[in-house]
Amino acid sequence: QKEVEQNSGPLSVPEGAIASLNCTYSDRVSQSFFWYRQYSGKSPELIMSIYSNGDKEDGRFTAQLNKASQYVSLLIRDSQPSDSATYLCAVGPGGADGLTFGKGTHLIIQP
Amino acid sequence: NAGVTQTPKFQVLKTGQSMTLQCAQDMNHNSMYWYRQDPGMGLRLIYYSASEGTTDKGEVPNGYNVSRLNKREFSLRLESAAPSQTSVYFCASRTGLNEQFFGPGTRLTVL
Repeated sequence: QKEVEQNSGPLSVPEGAIASLNCTYSDRVSQSFFWYRQYSGKSPELIMSIYSNGDKEDGRFTAQLNKASQYVSLLIRDSQPSDSATYLCAVGPGGADGLTFGKGTHLIIQP
Repeated sequence: NAGVTQTPKFQVLKTGQSMTLQCAQDMNHNSMYWYRQDPGMGLRLIYYSASEGTTDKGEVPNGYNVSRLNKREFSLRLESAAPSQTSVYFCASRTGLNEQFFGPGTRLTVL
């Protein structure tokens, strides 16, 4: 059984600070790793993809992957109230099988 | 370019009724997916279609059937709805990098 674990939160971060979200996964042969943002009542929106060990930056977002530790993280710099949402970590194989999702971390950015 | 579209947006059924959820994508993706999202359970894969003409079971396929009508369209059918199928249903399609993009969802209530 493939598992993806996330702290459900809520994680409360002051506006302008760095929000750090973490995720671990069980399937060692996973090849692709994603972070989705989901606002209440909306569908998941892809914000970051990462495929190899190390860091990947896109604007205020940085994804970090450590395959040896089976660990993925997302950093959000200069957090804004609009970043308040649930963040879903998703892990996938190299092929067309579906993604395995964590249950999500609820992030609250306090003005 | 509408991305992934789903109909209907909302539906209320009585136990034992049947219905089909429709999904279409205009991104020329080969693979399409159906997920359900329940509070505290996260997103779970119901069925997927790696390419036109093929379908495979996911984690929670019982009580559902699917049809890949053509490359654009992938439908999910509930033959005899049960209260346990009350959920939010999301359709997604996949890029060659395994990134999945989601439709707006169908909120289904089974009484």
